[in-house]
Amino acid sequence: QKEVEQDPGPLSVPEGAIVSLNCTYSNSAFQYFMWYRQYSRKGPELLMYTYSSGNKEDGRFTAQVDKSSKYISLFIRDSQPSDSATYLCAMSEGYTGGFKTIFGAGTRLFVKA
Amino acid sequence: KAGVTQTPRYLIKTRGQQVTLSCSPISGHRSVSWYQQTPGQGLQFLFEYFSETQRNKGNFPGRFSGRQFSNSRSEMNVSTLELGDSALYLCASSSTGGGTDTQYFGPGTRLTVL
Repeated sequence: QKEVEQDPGPLSVPEGAIVSLNCTYSNSAFQYFMWYRQYSRKGPELLMYTYSSGNKEDGRFTAQVDKSSKYISLFIRDSQPSDSATYLCAMSEGYTGGFKTIFGAGTRLFVKA
Repeated sequence: KAGVTQTPRYLIKTRGQQVTLSCSPISGHRSVSWYQQTPGQGLQFLFEYFSETQRNKGNFPGRFSGRQFSNSRSEMNVSTLELGDSALYLCASSSTGGGTDTQYFGPGTRLTVL
C-alpha cells in the first residue's frame, strides 16, 4: 500500500461546478499537507499548504485536513476551464520542502465550458 | 524574476547510454531538488543539493547522481540508461529547502529511453 493514495481520475465537470479532490494517507506523522497544480508540459506549482488539521481558504480554493481520518481534500468553487490540470496532493513530516515529501499520483481534472 | 529553467526540454537516448540534465534555479535560491515523474509511480524524490553539497537522497540506484555548482546551478546524470528511466525529470528550487519555503518547479526534461 502506498503512503499516499490519490484517485488518478480523470474527473470531468461542467464549468461552474464545485470540484472535490481527495487523498488518503497512512503515515500519522505527516504534518504539512500541500496541493500542487500541474498544467500539461509544465512543472507543478504550489497552490496552498496546511499545517496540521483544519481548513484553509484562498479565493476559490479550500483545503481541508482531517488527521483523525487521514484524509485531505481540495475544493474548487465555481470551476473554470482554466482549472483543467492535474492536481497533486503532497505531504511531509517536517516541512514543505522536497526531502521526504510524498506526492500522490495526481488527479486529472477537466472543466468543460 | 526568472523562473526555474531546465535544459534540454526533450531528450531521446538508447539503453546503455548516459545523460546529463541541467537545472538553473531562481536567482538567490540555494536549494535544488530533483524528482522523477512517471505515470505509474508519480513524483518521486531523487536528491537535494544545498550550497554544493548533497543534503538528502531518495531511494534510487547509484546510476543516478548529481552535483551543484557555486552559482547554485545543478546537473543530474543518469548512467547506463534503462527503459524504465523514461520519465519527466523535474527540478525544483527553494530558498533554503526547509521550513515552509515554497518549492518552485521547472518545466522538466522529458527523457525517452529506447
